[in-house]
Amino acid sequence: EAGVAQSPRYKIIEKRQSVAFWCNPISGHATLYWYQQILGQGPKLLIQFQNNGVVDDSQLPKDRFSAERLKGVDSTLKIQPAKLEDSAVYLCASNPPGTRPKYFGPGTRLLVL
Amino acid sequence: AQKITQTQPGMFVQEKEAVTLDCTYDTSDQSYGLFWYKQPSSGEMIFLIYQGSYDEQNATEGRYSLNFQKARKSANLVISASQLGDSAMYFCAMKRSGAQKLVFGQGTRLTINP
Repeated sequence: EAGVAQSPRYKIIEKRQSVAFWCNPISGHATLYWYQQILGQGPKLLIQFQNNGVVDDSQLPKDRFSAERLKGVDSTLKIQPAKLEDSAVYLCASNPPGTRPKYFGPGTRLLVL
Repeated sequence: AQKITQTQPGMFVQEKEAVTLDCTYDTSDQSYGLFWYKQPSSGEMIFLIYQGSYDEQNATEGRYSLNFQKARKSANLVISASQLGDSAMYFCAMKRSGAQKLVFGQGTRLTINP
């Protein structure tokens, strides 16, 4: 089966610019996550979707970050405006509900200058 | 709150040797799960092994085993007969039962020397 797809793989922007990341989960996986992984740290959950509903966004900086999963399949994560500290790898993951979190995408590496 | 601690920033091991990566955790939950992931330089997180808090036996998956000591709140990963391809970052993580959110440790960079 195809894995979790993410694009772009790399992005370089200047601070105060906007950026968007895209994730296509494994077909049939209702649960989708976005994680932020700052260099030298473990991933931190930003937001979790169940189909197109938000389950947990407690650690999402809502003043600048937004995410949507309109049809319960693909998802986009947006940062507007970006700050230097947003430089990180953004990982998307998916799994069927009630199963162990196993499936991660390759990530998008963001550098904010 | 849940917390994962990995105290080894880096480990260097000779090929074919066994290696133990340390992980301790803190939680007030009675039912939880512990995970190990491998992250090569390509960036993708690869699931390796899972241990449930009520599992009586230590989990094993091929060359990976989890040394689970519940009273000490430790869940160390053991890799037997290490290979050059095992060089990567390794992350310990946990989640409470019924929830989906993973909490990760800081990771350990493992380097296998030929």
